[in-house]
This record gives sequence, structure tokens and C-alpha cells, in this order.
Amino acid sequence: GAGVSQSPRYKVTKRGQDVTLRCDPISSHATLYWYQQALGQGPEFLTYFNYEAQPDKSGLPSDRFSAERPEGSISTLTIQRTEQRDSAMYRCASSPFGGGLSYEQYFGPGTRLTVT
Amino acid sequence: AQSVTQLGSHVSVSEGALVLLRCNYSSSVPPYLFWYVQYPNQGLQLLLKYTSAATLVKGINGFEAEFKKSETSFHLTKPSAHMSDAAEYFCAVSPSGGSQGNLIFGKGTKLSVKP
Repeated sequence: GAGVSQSPRYKVTKRGQDVTLRCDPISSHATLYWYQQALGQGPEFLTYFNYEAQPDKSGLPSDRFSAERPEGSISTLTIQRTEQRDSAMYRCASSPFGGGLSYEQYFGPGTRLTVT
Repeated sequence: AQSVTQLGSHVSVSEGALVLLRCNYSSSVPPYLFWYVQYPNQGLQLLLKYTSAATLVKGINGFEAEFKKSETSFHLTKPSAHMSDAAEYFCAVSPSGGSQGNLIFGKGTKLSVKP
């Protein structure tokens, strides 16, 4: 696609419910990142994929968070049993080369999650 | 561990005035440094990046930043502010030699431009 897209753009859910967020990266981009951005903070790294492989999950805050990229393109981030502290903007980014430090990350518009 | 500190969560300048947004980093190895801009309801957009080449880096929209190793700084400047520069700006670091390109962001600085 022309850019990174994310859906939904806004999600309101009740505490205890599961939510799944979707990221559609720029086509052919090998690497995909997920970040969490709390209000008034900068984005914080959650996890990343090189194609379908997920080399690093160290940023995921708890085992309630999981991410998939089964075919190396679209990715989903699932939060189980949501808590109010999960309320944040969730950002996805992609880059053209796996693990490339010099390569620009292209960000999507984000999904604003509110847990009530 | 690497970290980024942005001094000033809000900066206000008059149109035509100098823009200076401050960023200091902490890194045990030479870092790669980035400035991103976020306009309302849009994703983060790369303004410029430092990847150990020239210390003065020019980016889009007339912005530039200078890497100063002795001061561990990477401040963003623009000689003359325009109304369209009003946005939130994030400084980020990526450790050189790492196996992945995840970024560590500062908390951001909101820039307001007064007419």
C-alpha cells in the first residue's frame, strides 16, 4: 500500500475484554514494529518482526500482550483481559530492511485504545 | 541503557523566529539519532537522522540538527518558524551495532507558533 495503515483508529472497550489491533505495513517492507504511547509520553517499543519471525518480545508489558505476523505482511496486536492502564495510542511502523539501523521507520496513524 | 531527554514539553515561538528544540541522549556507544514530527491525527514522520556521517544534518521543511558528541546533544533548529511547523516533535535514539532498529523516544516537545 501507499503507507502504513492501522485499524481501528479508535477503540473503546470495557475492562476485562480482549482487543485486537491491526497493522497493514507498506508492501514489501520486511520489518514491522509495534510501539505503545501513553498520554504525554513518547512511543515505547513493544516488539518487532522480520517477515514472520519475531526476534524480540522484550518490550511487551505482560503476557496479556501478544503479536502475530503469520504471513510476513499484516500484523495484529492482541491484548487479553484489558486493564485501564492499557489505555494508550498503539503505533505500528515498518521499514524496508530487516533490522536496518539506518533505515527510516514509516509510522501509521495509530490506534487510540481506551479501556473503561 | 540508552535514553533520550527532551528539555521542555512545550515551546512557543513567534512566526519568523528561531526554533530550537533540545535533545540530549545517553548512550555507551555512538548512537544513531532521529527527529520525528507528529501532526494532529497523523503518524510520526521522519524529519532527519544522524548515522555517523556529517555532524550537521539537514532535514525536510528547513529543519536541521547538529550532533555534538562532547555535549551528548542533538538539538533541532529552524531559522524561521512558520505556522505550519506547529506540531509535536520527538527525538529518538537507536543504538549502533544493535541487532534491531527499534527506537527509544523522548517524551516529545509541543511546538506552538504565534502569528
